[in-house]
Amino acid sequence: AQSVTQLDSHVSVSEGTPVLLRCNYSSSYSPSLFWYVQHPNKGLQLLLKYTSAATLVKGINGFEAEFKKSETSFHLTKPSAHMSDAAEYFCVVSAMFSGGYNKLIFGAGTRLAVHP
Amino acid sequence: DGGITQSPKYLFRKEGQNVTLSCEQNLNHDAMYWYRQDPGQGLRLIYYSQIVNDFQKGDIAEGYSVSREKKESFPLTVTSAQKNPTAFYLCASSKGQGRGWNTEAFFGQGTRLTVV
Repeated sequence: AQSVTQLDSHVSVSEGTPVLLRCNYSSSYSPSLFWYVQHPNKGLQLLLKYTSAATLVKGINGFEAEFKKSETSFHLTKPSAHMSDAAEYFCVVSAMFSGGYNKLIFGAGTRLAVHP
Repeated sequence: DGGITQSPKYLFRKEGQNVTLSCEQNLNHDAMYWYRQDPGQGLRLIYYSQIVNDFQKGDIAEGYSVSREKKESFPLTVTSAQKNPTAFYLCASSKGQGRGWNTEAFFGQGTRLTVV
């Protein structure tokens, strides 16, 4: 069965310092993995996705994530935090329904706070 | 612009009332989904539909109903049987079957439902 665990419910950083949001996954086959960002009372926006191509994935707004199969991890990083990065971030794994259809399984989310 | 439109943005329901949340997409996507979001719980799948006139229950379908009469539309009805309907509801769509890039989901801006 597929699952995803976000290891921190809250992360707080200072503006200009690096960001690390941790995600571990469980999948019985080669997974598709995603990071989404949600600002308050808004929908979710795709930051980046891993689909079995390059293991280091670059996304929007300077974010990137590295797929590490041996560690079953897909951590999200950014070299320098900006105030506008304050939001909730979701790690997501794609799973298969019976019949070949897709299902997105969401982590519980990590709330990122950025301080001046 | 292509995208997903949810309406209304805010909705108030009296006890015992049914209410319907609208979701329309012009991305020509086959698959559509409804998620419920509660604080600290990530997103939970209510219903999904892979093609017109077909839909399946997700993880928390009790008290909800859907229809998929058109490719572009996937309305969600919150019935009086749903005992705790106050939540943020998100509609999403994706290209459909397959793995990898096909599973990327695009989200609407959400509807916040409150029972009064």
